[in-house]
Amino acid sequence: GAGVSQTPSNKVTEKGKYVELRCDPISGHTALYWYRQSLGQGPEFLIYFQGTGAADDSGLPNDRFFAVRPEGSVSTLKIQRTERGDSAVYLCASSRFDSPYNEQFFGPGTRLTVL
Amino acid sequence: AQKITQTQPGMFVQEKEAVTLDCTYDTSDQSYGLFWYKQPSSGEMIFLIYQGSYDEQNATEGRYSLNFQKARKSANLVISASQLGDSAMYFCAMRESNYGGSQGNLIFGKGTKLSVKP
Repeated sequence: GAGVSQTPSNKVTEKGKYVELRCDPISGHTALYWYRQSLGQGPEFLIYFQGTGAADDSGLPNDRFFAVRPEGSVSTLKIQRTERGDSAVYLCASSRFDSPYNEQFFGPGTRLTVL
Repeated sequence: AQKITQTQPGMFVQEKEAVTLDCTYDTSDQSYGLFWYKQPSSGEMIFLIYQGSYDEQNATEGRYSLNFQKARKSANLVISASQLGDSAMYFCAMRESNYGGSQGNLIFGKGTKLSVKP
């Protein structure tokens, strides 16, 4: 079946601009996660949705970052007034509630470059 | 303090040999889950193996096994019979408060880059 998809695969923007990153999880997966991976590091947690609601947004670095999942499926990560330090690969993952390990399935990521 | 520590930035292994990638973790929770993911140069994270804190036996999945030493808080990944396609970054991760059916974010280490030599 189809895996987690993310669009765009690459996004180049200028400092101060607004960007939206989209994640389409595996069908039927109730949980959706956003992570950010900087060069040479492991992914860092940003936010986790269970259904439509954000169950944990403790990883969002500041109020420039916001994410929504209005219908419990597709999610959009929104970054306002982008800064050069926001440059990273943004990974989305999803998981099923009833799987044995609740392992997370990751998408290919969106590489964000802020000039 | 780091919750997941991977002390080997890079490792080399000869094709067909076994290799151990180290991972230590820090948590005060009694229930937690440990994961290993592979990240090839393409960038996508691939789930390899899982160990629950209450599991008494070490997890195995094909050529992957997890050497779980709870008292030492270590969860090393063993890859047997290495193949060229095993060359990738490997990340150890932990999910705290791992009660049955729970879901929550993963905490990742910095990773180990494995290179398999022909």
